Amino acid sequence: DSGVTQTPKHLITATGQRVTLRCSPRSGDLSVYWYQQSLDQGLQFLIQYYNGEERAKGNILERFSAQQFPDLHSELNLSSLELGDSALYFCASSPRTGRETQYFGPGTRLLVL
Amino acid sequence: AQTVTQSQPEMSVQEAETVTLSCTYDTSENNYYLFWYKQPPSRQMILVIRQEAYKQQNATENRFSVNFQKAAKSFSLKISDSQLGDTAMYFCAFMMGTTDSWGKLQFGAGTQVVVTP
Repeated sequence: DSGVTQTPKHLITATGQRVTLRCSPRSGDLSVYWYQQSLDQGLQFLIQYYNGEERAKGNILERFSAQQFPDLHSELNLSSLELGDSALYFCASSPRTGRETQYFGPGTRLLVL
Repeated sequence: AQTVTQSQPEMSVQEAETVTLSCTYDTSENNYYLFWYKQPPSRQMILVIRQEAYKQQNATENRFSVNFQKAAKSFSLKISDSQLGDTAMYFCAFMMGTTDSWGKLQFGAGTQVVVTP
């Protein structure tokens, strides 16, 4: 158990819908990262938040957005969902700005039908 | 742009034997970090080992060790005394050392390791 929690574990929804994935970092960690793992694109970095502020952006679609709240938990919002958004979404956390090792949560498996 | 290449899609090894996974990366930078993560059937991503590019000494973690060849841009993982619980997908990952790239892990495609009795 890494100490990073993610909810829900599984999510099934329809195209065009919007979902929110939630992540709670390890106690004391200020940085949260989101990754997408899909069959065709592998593991991809989406976005990083550090102490409430966006720190780095990767290949995140405009239909996707994220935020980190004062209690440091983070949410990833996916809207106008397409079949290709079906993937495993991981959250990871680290103590500070990112040179440290990232510890991953168990992931949220999203299936868009 | 940096790329991470794992050329072995799958490897099989018997219990107690040794297996070596290859990873190469492409970068023009001198300061970076390399990682191996494992993903067992549970899908959890678990850190196996970490290497800082400025350190010449190869990292080790119990039965796991790396062979870091900076000039060749190679970062292989050796699993010694393989155990059934080592069955997993293994991902090599790269992170730049510049401040604007901290946190952006770039992953290879993965190597599936199957440990057989």
